[in-house]
Amino acid sequence: KAGVTQTPRYLIKTRGQQVTLSCSPISGHRSVSWYQQTPGQGLQFLFEYFSETQRNKGNFPGRFSGRQFSNSRSEMNVSTLELGDSALYLCASSQSPGGEQYFGPGTRLTVT
Amino acid sequence: AQTVTQSQPEMSVQEAETVTLSCTYDTSESDYYLFWYKQPPSRQMILVIRQEAYKQQNATENRFSVNFQKAAKSFSLKISDSQLGDAAMYFCAYDASGAGSYQLTFGKGTKLSVIP
Repeated sequence: KAGVTQTPRYLIKTRGQQVTLSCSPISGHRSVSWYQQTPGQGLQFLFEYFSETQRNKGNFPGRFSGRQFSNSRSEMNVSTLELGDSALYLCASSQSPGGEQYFGPGTRLTVT
Repeated sequence: AQTVTQSQPEMSVQEAETVTLSCTYDTSESDYYLFWYKQPPSRQMILVIRQEAYKQQNATENRFSVNFQKAAKSFSLKISDSQLGDAAMYFCAYDASGAGSYQLTFGKGTKLSVIP
């Protein structure tokens, strides 16, 4: 099976712009989660989707949003980018709650 | 809120030797899962091992094994016969999906160096 894929792999944006990141889970996986990784804060949970429904959301401002499509692919959007949004954004998929979460290679976002 | 603590920011081990990475967590749940993930310089997060809290038997995956002490809320990772490819950041993670949490809570990580 193909692994979790994320596009784009690298992105450079300017403060105030918005960005959309995409994640395609492993075939058959219906749960998709997003995490932000920074040197200062480490790995932080953004949100989790299952069957197009957001089941849990981390402690991030409303500028961070996401959605999941009927084919389980997911997107996350960050509006009005700030310098502090520069991070590695990781997507993970799993078959069921508590199951192994498999991570994609991440999208490296740099905000200038 | 659940917290995961990895008290060793950095560790080193000689090639072919054994090393143990520590992890403690805080939770009021009884049904949860624990994981160790490895993140090499490529930044790809790789699942190393998974432990279900209701199972008393410690999980093992080849050279990787855990010491799960539920009462002490401790979950350490032992790497035997260390190899150069084991050099990476190791993250301990907690998942209370059984309680409807649906998220991984990570520790800050331990950077493991392997000395040839």
